[in-house]
Amino acid sequence: KAGVTQTPRYLIKTRGQQVTLSCSPISGHRSVSWYQQTPGQGLQFLFEYFSETQRNKGNFPGRFSGRQFSNSRSEMNVSTLELGDSALYLCASSLGTGGNVNTEAFFGQGTRLTVV
Amino acid sequence: GEDVEQSLFLSVREGDSSVINCTYTDSSSTYLYWYKQEPGAGLQLLTYIFSNMDMKQDQRLTVLLNKKDKHLSLRIADTQTGDSAIYFCAEKGQAGTALIFGKGTTLSVSS
Repeated sequence: KAGVTQTPRYLIKTRGQQVTLSCSPISGHRSVSWYQQTPGQGLQFLFEYFSETQRNKGNFPGRFSGRQFSNSRSEMNVSTLELGDSALYLCASSLGTGGNVNTEAFFGQGTRLTVV
Repeated sequence: GEDVEQSLFLSVREGDSSVINCTYTDSSSTYLYWYKQEPGAGLQLLTYIFSNMDMKQDQRLTVLLNKKDKHLSLRIADTQTGDSAIYFCAEKGQAGTALIFGKGTTLSVSS
């Protein structure tokens, strides 16, 4: 069974530009979560989508947005890029039933974004 | 609020046991996870434990949970050089399926 696929793997953008990252979850998984990983802040939750709806959102500015399509693929967008947005962006896929059910999250390889 | 703490570094010799510790604050956490991250890679789920369990063993991995002290540990038996990586402890927070991660423990295994 194919794992979580994130594209592109590497990206270099200039301050002020915008960027779109893509994530294809494991087949049958309906939840996609996004995380930002930086050396200083570690892994921080951005948002989660389930059945095309944003179900949960972390503490990030409105420049960070996302969406999910009917086939569960998800994209995240960052507008007006800042140097501090340089990070590894990780996508996690799960069945996503939430609550007290174990919903193991499987991560993709990540997209390394560098803002110059 | 929710917070997960881990020590930053651990150095062991090949063949020894490694114990990585983690503390968390959210007493309502239902599941706790251990992930491994190798250089340039994403996160690999190693194991998890449900909050009503004290211990879980999976081959070389043993997870111990002390719910009273909100303390979680991961023991790796017979540590190998291939185990060198960053290990993250994570709890499933109150809000949906969002995971709260610790800063990670870098495990260095010397031969």
